[in-house]
Formats: sequence, structure tokens, C-alpha cells
Amino acid sequence: GNSVTQMEGPVTLSEEAFLTINCTYTATGYPSLFWYVQYPGEGLQLLLKATKADDKGSNKGFEATYRKETTSFHLEKGSVQVSDSAVYFCALRPSGGSNYKLTFGKGTLLTVNP
Amino acid sequence: GAVVSQHPSRVICKSGTSVKIECRSLDFQATTMFWYRQFPKKSLMLMATSNEGSKATYEQGVEKDKFLINHASLTLSTLTVTSAHPEDSSFYICSARVASGAYNEQFFGPGTRLTVL
Repeated sequence: GNSVTQMEGPVTLSEEAFLTINCTYTATGYPSLFWYVQYPGEGLQLLLKATKADDKGSNKGFEATYRKETTSFHLEKGSVQVSDSAVYFCALRPSGGSNYKLTFGKGTLLTVNP
Repeated sequence: GAVVSQHPSRVICKSGTSVKIECRSLDFQATTMFWYRQFPKKSLMLMATSNEGSKATYEQGVEKDKFLINHASLTLSTLTVTSAHPEDSSFYICSARVASGAYNEQFFGPGTRLTVL
């Protein structure tokens, strides 16, 4: 079946540090890949996505590149801010047909200190 | 953008009572809505897929008689936790699917914190 594995947290960084949150997946075909962010006490917001190999999703300074060869979709940001403190979820949606269920990783808590 | 609301945002109830949670798509019609449950420090667990005008499809291990889902209109789905017990305490999140042509996205509600005493 489909699965998403992301690095265990929590991750604690100082402001302006470089961020990487690793995400790898298992799926057949070419799934769409997503990063969602959940701020404290809130629901999930789509951060970025990529729908095919070598696509790069980007938003708010965050980037992730769909690597088919390594089945990865690592999240990066060059300089984090305190406001980036949140839980980040990697997710996939299988390709084709009417299957639109999302499979999520376990989430990674990021805390950015001033 | 597409906005999904949930009501209430938090609810506390006594054991044995039933609680209804509403999920609304405010500015779009959603033929499909999803209900998730999130445990502390855990990922989201899909509970069921709700299609307007038809019965919900439950994931394996989710009790359909315990978690009643109704999707009566294109903008409203409800989750009723029947005879709630403390182990049902959790954060429940809904999402609504927008699909048009090649566009296919889920938009999430802000969640409902259920505490059963």
C-alpha cells in the first residue's frame, strides 16, 4: 500500500537557520506529493505541492522537489522565522482513477527560537 | 480561496452523550468531504469519505454506528459521535474536495477539539 515516512521531530532551530525536513514515500505510479502545515490549534493548510517527477513546489520561501529516483520530497527553507513554528506534514495522493485519498506522514514539529 | 469551516471549534461533553460536528464549504460546492481524526503528536487518520447524497465510506477499523456521517447537501457534512466515551476525545478535522477538470484539491477545516468527560 501507499505510505509516507518523514523525519521524526521535534526539530528546534534558531531564527535564520536552514531547514530540511526529510520525506520519502512508497506508492505505485506517479503520485502527487504535498506538504501541509498546521499551526497550533488550527487545521491543515496546503503549503506546496508537486504533481510529477522533477517538479519543484514552492511557497513562502519553502521548497520541495519531487525526486522519483529516490522517492523523496524533502522540504527546505533557507532562513526560517519564528512564525514558521508549526507541524509539517508530508502527504501523497495516488495517481489516476478516482482515488483522491491523501496519505499523511506522522508530522514533524518545528520550533524556531528568536 | 476555498474556505472550509467547522462548528463547534471545541466541545466538552459527558460520557454517554452524542455530539454533532458540522463541516461546511463556504464558497464552493463539495461533492466529497473527508473526516479525519488526529491524536496528540500523531498524524491524521482518515475515518471516512462522505459523498453528497450517498452513504459514507468508512475506513477499516472505524465503527460506522459510532461515527455517523451525513452529507445532505453540497456544502454541509456532519459527523455525529454517538454515545461518546473518553477514548473518543480527539481533534476531528474535515476536508472538502474541489474537483474541476484537472484541478483536484482538498481544503481543510480548522478542526474541532472534542473532550469527553
